[in-house]
Amino acid sequence: DAKTTQPPSMDCAEGRAANLPCNHSTISGNEYVYWYRQIHSQGPQYIIHGLKNNETNEMASLIITEDRKSSTLILPHATLRDTAVYYCIVRARSGSARQLTFGSGTQLTVLP
Amino acid sequence: ETGVTQTPRHLVMGMTNKKSLKCEQHLGHNAMYWYKQSAKKPLELMFVYNFKEQTENNSVPSRFSPECPNSSHLFLHLHTLQPEDSALYLCASSQVLAGGYEQYFGPGTRLTVT
Repeated sequence: DAKTTQPPSMDCAEGRAANLPCNHSTISGNEYVYWYRQIHSQGPQYIIHGLKNNETNEMASLIITEDRKSSTLILPHATLRDTAVYYCIVRARSGSARQLTFGSGTQLTVLP
Repeated sequence: ETGVTQTPRHLVMGMTNKKSLKCEQHLGHNAMYWYKQSAKKPLELMFVYNFKEQTENNSVPSRFSPECPNSSHLFLHLHTLQPEDSALYLCASSQVLAGGYEQYFGPGTRLTVT
């Protein structure tokens, strides 16, 4: 699985968009970008994933650069409940059960 | 119940005790996982079960013993643990045949070994 690099922490004002970057310069053609988040002392929560097109769901938007070497998770209107550690994970889809490798992620703090 | 549930949510046990953690998924998935999260560390995979068969054991000490009686239930049996085993234990499930890799996690069991 390709390595990812994320800033260790970010702040965002409540109601503003939170833009969380992820660098995955060694990503290969069959690898997807996944985002999870973990609110303090809870289990991680799946947010969104994508291959090369931008994706949007009820939680967030995922913007992947054309060369696929980086991506940005966008929370359009951050709330205090979005304060969490956000993990960017790159891996190929698989027909077998395999682990997710979580790095250190980005601690997002939404400020009132 | 929906999603992935775990019981108990909190557990304190002595080093000579035997206890079990339980996980149940209500999503119709066919793969289940145990992860460990120690303080200030990333999640570490412990075990993977695919169609009730253990497919991965990530060099976990034998004092942790998993059991998967069916595709909806997963247990982690604990005995003679050490204080350094205190951690958040997370269960997850996924639907492997769909080719996706979205894992859905339970709330975790906060284990303290005294």
